[in-house]
Amino acid sequence: DAGITQSPRYKITETGRQVTLMCHQTWSHSYMFWYRQDLGHGLRLIYYSAAADITDKGEVPDGYVVSRSKTENFPLTLESATRSQTSVYFCASRTSGGGSYNEQFFGPGTRLTVL
Amino acid sequence: AQSVTQLDSHVSVSEGTPVLLRCNYSSSYSPSLFWYVQHPNKGLQLLLKYTSAATLVKGINGFEAEFKKSETSFHLTKPSAHMSDAAEYFCVVSGRRDDKIIFGKGTRLHILP
Repeated sequence: DAGITQSPRYKITETGRQVTLMCHQTWSHSYMFWYRQDLGHGLRLIYYSAAADITDKGEVPDGYVVSRSKTENFPLTLESATRSQTSVYFCASRTSGGGSYNEQFFGPGTRLTVL
Repeated sequence: AQSVTQLDSHVSVSEGTPVLLRCNYSSSYSPSLFWYVQHPNKGLQLLLKYTSAATLVKGINGFEAEFKKSETSFHLTKPSAHMSDAAEYFCVVSGRRDDKIIFGKGTRLHILP
């Protein structure tokens, strides 16, 4: 299917476990982003990537790791999950031309609960 | 530096009445501004954006927003609310082309029958 997809859509895990959230886009957009959405905070940027093998920290990167070996995939890993990482995670992508003035396209989100 | 403030966390209107969602911004540069909508359990969708062309921007589903530099505002309006407009709305600012965008904390719009 065309677009941007995330998996899993729902995940429950325990404190200390490693969790990987997947993001896949079919548009060949160069930029990809990971956000977390928490009540009262809107969306906050965790990490972003300008191209394959290029990643950079956002506003709240601690406790997360990303990689981008292929343009279409941008997985987010919680190396040792904590309760404070319970959140809804959104992946997004956009083209490079026009920079941040361009629309970002969002996936449907992954609801993660850390017990 | 840039920031965005959505002045109301919740807004309730009756179906068929006007909608006003307020957004103020701060930016060291001439900003680009966006409104995104998020329906329950869905991802975000672009409603409209301002990028230094016309100050009155028309978006999807009858929404529009006016960029007012003197007031540093970008309020979202719709003449007549519909039940399907019930959602959360985010105002977003980008100060420069290479900047990361900044989201407001969101306004939840409730439509009363």
